Amino acid sequence: EIVLTQSPGTLSLSPGERATLSCRASQSVSSSYLAWYQQKPGQAPRHLIYGASSRATGIPDRFSGSGSGTDFTLTISRLEPEDFAVYYCQQYGSSPITFGPGTKVDLK
Amino acid sequence: QVQLVQSGAEVKKPGASVKVSCKASGYTFTDYYMHWVRQAPGQGLEWMGWINPNSGGTNYAQKFQGWVTMTGDTSISTAYMELSRLTSDDTAVYYCARGEYRYGHDYWGQGTLVTVSS
Repeated sequence: EIVLTQSPGTLSLSPGERATLSCRASQSVSSSYLAWYQQKPGQAPRHLIYGASSRATGIPDRFSGSGSGTDFTLTISRLEPEDFAVYYCQQYGSSPITFGPGTKVDLK
Repeated sequence: QVQLVQSGAEVKKPGASVKVSCKASGYTFTDYYMHWVRQAPGQGLEWMGWINPNSGGTNYAQKFQGWVTMTGDTSISTAYMELSRLTSDDTAVYYCARGEYRYGHDYWGQGTLVTVSS
């Protein structure tokens, strides 16, 4: 099983700032099958990034993903008020599919 | 547009079973796997497994083998997840999510809260 570790646990930032979230895998993620999801309280997760760096349908270009192998990054170039949420990485290249524990981006 | 609509909240006693439904619309049901993911209160996301609605084939996470059953009814484009022998540790929101091997989970249901309490 691939274990995903996310850092930091919480990121306290202000609107307009840049957010950099890290996801590290215990072993190489097959074919960069790494996704990122955003979740707000009381809502289902929202698909942001797939294939490590491709934006999902309708996702603004301030969200970008990068990385390969075992190290991946989600960057939000300039935080909007609606971006304060929890972000999860997920590897879906091997079974079992696993999620990281999440990074909470909250208001400073 | 793609929609996954789940059944309503459930309250169950320990030892009982629960069956959650997920009705798909806006796409061909048999073209995509359906995954189930759960989230305990205040916790992260836990993948439970998937069903291939076209073949009925399933793949369950090892933790859930023997006590989860995923099925599908192609005539009504609905997937089901049944969990048996419930304990308080199974109190969670259960989500269905459409899966595509290149994209991950691109569409999610709204979630179904299952509460296990005596």
